[in-house]
Amino acid sequence: DTGVSQDPRHKITKRGQNVTFRCDPISEHNRLYWYRQTLGQGPEFLTYFQNEAQLEKSRLLSDRFSAERPKGSFSTLEIQRTEQGDSAMYLCASSIQLENTEAFFGQGTRLTVV
Amino acid sequence: SQQGEEDPQALSIQEGENATMNCSYKTSINNLQWYRQNSGRGLVHLILIRSNEREKHSGRLRVTLDTSKKSSSLLITASRAADTASYFCATVGGGNKLTFGTGTQLKVEL
Repeated sequence: DTGVSQDPRHKITKRGQNVTFRCDPISEHNRLYWYRQTLGQGPEFLTYFQNEAQLEKSRLLSDRFSAERPKGSFSTLEIQRTEQGDSAMYLCASSIQLENTEAFFGQGTRLTVV
Repeated sequence: SQQGEEDPQALSIQEGENATMNCSYKTSINNLQWYRQNSGRGLVHLILIRSNEREKHSGRLRVTLDTSKKSSSLLITASRAADTASYFCATVGGGNKLTFGTGTQLKVEL
């Protein structure tokens, strides 16, 4: 296992189009997180899964955003009707238990909405 | 939303010098973690300190935690050019997620 993988690494899309990102966590990790990061800022929490259950969603996650983790393994984050304000780095992380250990992050997907 | 502030926002030092970054947070925590991020890349975990610990060391890193002041500091000793990166503190509370600070951009010059 080589760590958390995200695909694609870069995505340029026109405003109004839908985009979908994929995250493959470390296989034995039951928790999976999505974060968004804009230039010069720290990552902001979007949502998290424990196995296939989505346990928390940030208020940042508007109705245009949806995340799934259908079999408790990989996850997808979809943004519908993209807006220029959606341009950011989308980071995925996985962990066992943050109360005792760290999260492992993927390299991120950089989204540019033109 | 961000948990708190990091100070300074940017720090430039010479190779061999020590770098100190401070982090403040707002709510009670289970633990506090420090991460490093090279430009445009993912985050790499550096060190974790639990709420009942006051100081922790890992190689050239020293982290302190003061829960009464809701603050932490990260000291990097004998810095190297390869330490150039952004450094973030992140807290874990009851919500089972990391809440990040705003980050410190460290530049180590030769």
